[in-house]
Amino acid sequence: EAGVAQSPRYKIIEKRQSVAFWCNPISGHATLYWYQQILGQGPKLLIQFQNNGVVDDSQLPKDRFSAERLKGVDSTLKIQPAKLEDSAVYLCASSLQAGQGNIQYFGAGTRLSVL
Amino acid sequence: KNEVEQSPQNLTAQEGEFITINCSYSVGISALHWLQQHPGGGIVSLFMLSSGKKKHGRLIATINIQEKHSSLHITASHPRDSAVYICAVIGSGGGADGLTFGKGTHLIIQP
Repeated sequence: EAGVAQSPRYKIIEKRQSVAFWCNPISGHATLYWYQQILGQGPKLLIQFQNNGVVDDSQLPKDRFSAERLKGVDSTLKIQPAKLEDSAVYLCASSLQAGQGNIQYFGAGTRLSVL
Repeated sequence: KNEVEQSPQNLTAQEGEFITINCSYSVGISALHWLQQHPGGGIVSLFMLSSGKKKHGRLIATINIQEKHSSLHITASHPRDSAVYICAVIGSGGGADGLTFGKGTHLIIQP
């Protein structure tokens, strides 16, 4: 079974530039999560999708961050414009369904450096 | 909002030692995860539990719902166990179930 795929693995940009990350969840997984992990901290949930609908985006900085999952499969996370404090690893995870009984499977992450 | 605290933040031990990592949280949960993250690598789920105890190989996880506390134990530790171990919880409010993470425990097992 293929795992959660993310790309790119690394990205370096200058502040005020735009960047996009892509995630392909495990086949058949209805729920998809984007997390932000700043160095030295635990990951923080940015947004959760159930199929192509948003379940929770309360911690997503909506003035600069956006995410979509148009067909309920792949997802993209965009930052426009980036700030220095956005430097972090962006993790995508998926689970079969939402709910406490479902394990979340994580991708390898995209490491973003904003200069 | 749930606060998840882990201790210790850093732990260095000798190969073969029994390791314990602790996690406490402030608000009722529906489930708790123990995850492993290697340097430069992604996150791997080790356990998900909502009560009692689970065992997988040399790893044991326990949870006490009343005390809002969980522990991860590693028996006969080995250098390949060196990683960051993260505790994460799912709230009991229903609906969204994104994880709330602790800051992690950086474990180094020396040969």
